[in-house]
Amino acid sequence: EVQLVESGGGLVQPGGSLRLSCAASGFTFSNYAMSWVRQAPGKGLEWVSAISGSGGSTYYADSAKGRFTISRDNSRNTLYLQMNSLRVEDTAFYYCAKHYYGAPGDAFDIWGQGTKVTVSS
Amino acid sequence: EIVLTQSPDFQSVTPKEKVTITCRASQSVGSSLHWYQQKPDQSPKLLIKYASQSISGVPSRFSGSGSGTDFTLTINSLEAEDAAAYYCHQSSSLPWTFGQGTKVEIK
Repeated sequence: EVQLVESGGGLVQPGGSLRLSCAASGFTFSNYAMSWVRQAPGKGLEWVSAISGSGGSTYYADSAKGRFTISRDNSRNTLYLQMNSLRVEDTAFYYCAKHYYGAPGDAFDIWGQGTKVTVSS
Repeated sequence: EIVLTQSPDFQSVTPKEKVTITCRASQSVGSSLHWYQQKPDQSPKLLIKYASQSISGVPSRFSGSGSGTDFTLTINSLEAEDAAAYYCHQSSSLPWTFGQGTKVEIK
């Protein structure tokens, strides 16, 4: 079964850091680009960052540039999002998502259950 | 940034009725437009990829059409389990963006 399981969310103060992880199973992880998408409480979906299957190319929304770093370990079938200088407005559920055909610009066919990040003092 | 505008924001529909949700892009996205369903407290689920391509396991009452800047998601013969928020998403141009969502309620 194709599955994505996120972890690493929690409560952090403004200016703090968190690292999210997404463990993948059931498919050849290195063949697929992956994304992080977030959803603030009661709001819509916002794409945050993506990474190519090899990890050689990364992409960021303006809201994440300079503060967040996406990476992957294909030997561990795991995707990461390092979030620094967190702001109250980063409070959201963070989902990892698999790209359908594997290309960077693509539909997201598999989503994790999400991990909650709360930035508050 | 390409802005996707969905209409309506909210729709209350009786079972077996036909539902039409539109997504308009601020510039052409070709056919790189996808639709998702998100039920309360669940992750989004891919319904339609590349404007009109069906997804295995998704009921045939869901269909998509359009190209360029105007797209439509149609739900034929709505069922109670279709109560959800629906989002369009473009993967044509960075940053990839989502519509604001359309909430479908069952009367």
